[in-house]
Amino acid sequence: AQRVTQPEKLLSVFKGAPVELKCNYSYSGSPELFWYVQYSRQRLQLLLRHISRESIKGFTADLNKGETSFHLKKPFAQEEDSAMYYCALTSGGYQKVTFGTGTKLQVIP
Amino acid sequence: KAGVTQTPRYLIKTRGQQVTLSCSPISGHRSVSWYQQTPGQGLQFLFEYFSETQRNKGNFPGRFSGRQFSNSRSEMNVSTLELGDSALYLCASSLGPLGQETQYFGPGTRLLVL
Repeated sequence: AQRVTQPEKLLSVFKGAPVELKCNYSYSGSPELFWYVQYSRQRLQLLLRHISRESIKGFTADLNKGETSFHLKKPFAQEEDSAMYYCALTSGGYQKVTFGTGTKLQVIP
Repeated sequence: KAGVTQTPRYLIKTRGQQVTLSCSPISGHRSVSWYQQTPGQGLQFLFEYFSETQRNKGNFPGRFSGRQFSNSRSEMNVSTLELGDSALYLCASSLGPLGQETQYFGPGTRLLVL
């Protein structure tokens, strides 16, 4: 069975401070991992995926297969980063999606 | 391009009834996935349809079913509603099958079962 764990329900940081949102996964095969973001009163949207290895809005995430982690990082938090963040995993030939429970990021001005 | 639309946006039903939710994907998208979001269980995958075929299904009882039409619009049906079915139901569309293309989410249908 596949599982995604986001240990923090709420993460509060000051503006300009580094941010790290934790995501650990459990899956026996080769997973594809994603971060989704939901800003207040907006739709859930893809932030980034590990395959593309891109940096979106200053956020990066590295897949660490040894630690089965896919933590989301940003060196300097901005107020507009305040949102709900979900880590997700898809797997297998017939893909299923498993989401973590989400972490609410609150950036304090 | 118009985004993913879902109708209705809000719905109130009573236990034992059935409900049908609709999702219109972005034009040209052939994959539609459905999710249930609740405070207790979070976001859970229901199923995915691609080119009118169900590709995969999450761990939900048979009361939850869906279909996709030739224009890629999709419907989700829940029969014999239970109180625990109260949730926000999201659909998402993508150009290709799940996992291969970016998913775009709709605003959701909020279902309340009394």
